Amino acid sequence: QQQVKQSPQSLIVQKGGIPIINCAYENTAFDYFPWYQQFPGKGPALLIAIRPDVSEKKEGRFTISFNKSAKQFSLHIMDSQPGDSATYFCAALFGNEKLTFGTGTRLTIIP
Amino acid sequence: GAVVSQHPSWVICKSGTSVKIECRSLDFQATTMFWYRQFPKQSLMLMATSNEGSKATYEQGVEKDKFLINHASLTLSTLTVTSAHPEDSSFYICSARDTSGRAYNEQFFGPGTRLTVL
Repeated sequence: QQQVKQSPQSLIVQKGGIPIINCAYENTAFDYFPWYQQFPGKGPALLIAIRPDVSEKKEGRFTISFNKSAKQFSLHIMDSQPGDSATYFCAALFGNEKLTFGTGTRLTIIP
Repeated sequence: GAVVSQHPSWVICKSGTSVKIECRSLDFQATTMFWYRQFPKQSLMLMATSNEGSKATYEQGVEKDKFLINHASLTLSTLTVTSAHPEDSSFYICSARDTSGRAYNEQFFGPGTRLTVL
């Protein structure tokens, strides 16, 4: 019940395209859903996060779509650039509990 | 945003020696810090939760006598890998929870420490 399932495992998109990464969760107690970006050899960095009381959040070129009834959320990257090539992790959190991470998506943006 | 540092960024040691990794929250106080381990092309695996002034809570399967965690102040937690062996080689990442109220239980991650045991 603590799992967060993430797909796809890897994704290749042409520059300017819109990669979409999907996550699904089971535990309805989760109340905070962050996305992290990780470059090789670096720690994860918070990209954007959403609470379940909203269905969409935008920050720059990054958008989270949240579907509470389906227990799913996704990350969209608008006008993707080669510099967006990284591994992306979704996660879920309840209160002061530990973060539950997805398995990660390796994104490659080709010029 | 809040900044978390780790030291060293990489370390190479001989089998049987101990290695200490420091995690510091630079501009906020963190009563709780977390230690993760990450293997290549895998997700982060939580090893333990470190609370200032009390014993760490280890995840199932993590040897507490091998991975010693100390959280002596609100800005510093250390992870000591004792009697390191080649299978301990990994990328170790810490995070610190900002409890100031400015971010909802947000965890800020350090840059990671690459440990190689020969």
